[in-house]
Amino acid sequence: GAVVSQHPSRVICKSGTSVKIECRSLDFQATTMFWYRQFPKQSLMLMATSNEGSKATYEQGVEKDKFLINHASLTLSTLTVTSAHPEDSSFYICSARDLGLAGYNEQFFGPGTRLTVL
Amino acid sequence: AQSVTQLGSHVSVSEGALVLLRCNYSSSVPPYLFWYVQYPNQGLQLLLKYTSAATLVKGINGFEAEFKKSETSFHLTKPSAHMSDAAEYFCAVSEVGGATNKLIFGTGTLLAVQP
Repeated sequence: GAVVSQHPSRVICKSGTSVKIECRSLDFQATTMFWYRQFPKQSLMLMATSNEGSKATYEQGVEKDKFLINHASLTLSTLTVTSAHPEDSSFYICSARDLGLAGYNEQFFGPGTRLTVL
Repeated sequence: AQSVTQLGSHVSVSEGALVLLRCNYSSSVPPYLFWYVQYPNQGLQLLLKYTSAATLVKGINGFEAEFKKSETSFHLTKPSAHMSDAAEYFCAVSEVGGATNKLIFGTGTLLAVQP
C-alpha cells in the first residue's frame, strides 16, 4: 500500500517549452501533496505544498508563475514548469500524505522525474 | 524553527561492519523523526519513523534508530552492513500537530559499503 507514481520518469525538452509532471497516489487518498526539487548530490528542497481544491503554498524563493501546481483531486497533483530553461534541469520528486495516517505526518514519495532542458 | 543536521556527508564501512549514521535535530516542540533511503535516480523510501511511542524504533532491512531527547539525536544503525545498503540516507523532522506537515530534511549521508 501507499504507492505514489510520477509520470514521466524522464523528460527532455527544449528551452522555452512547458513540461507537465503528474503525481498520483495509487491506493490512498491524499489531501496534501508536496513537490520537491533535488540537485545532484544534494538534499531535497521543498518547493510547494499542494492541497486538494485550493491554491498551493509556495516556499520562499520559488516562483509560483513558473512552477504551476494543480491538485484537482485526492489522488492527482500536477506540476507544470513553464517556459523551461536549462537552469530548471533537476530531479523533481513529489510526495503525498495519507489521509488515513494524518496523525503522523508521514509522506510517501514518488520515484521522481528527471527533467533536462536543452 | 526546526532543523536537522547529519554529521558526515560520506560514510564508508566494510561489508559486515556496523553502520552508524548520525542525525541531530532541533525543534521547539516534540518532533516526529524519519529516516529515508534513496537509491540512485529513485524517490525516497521510508526506513523507519519515530512518532513519540517507543524510543527505539525498528525499521526495514535491519535498520533501527533510537530517539534520545537529552541528546536531541536520532542516529540510524545496522549491526551488519550489506552491499545492498549502499545508498543515500536522509534524516527528516516534522512538527507534531503542525498545520503545514512539512518535512525538513538533512543534507544526506552517502553510505558506501566496501567488499
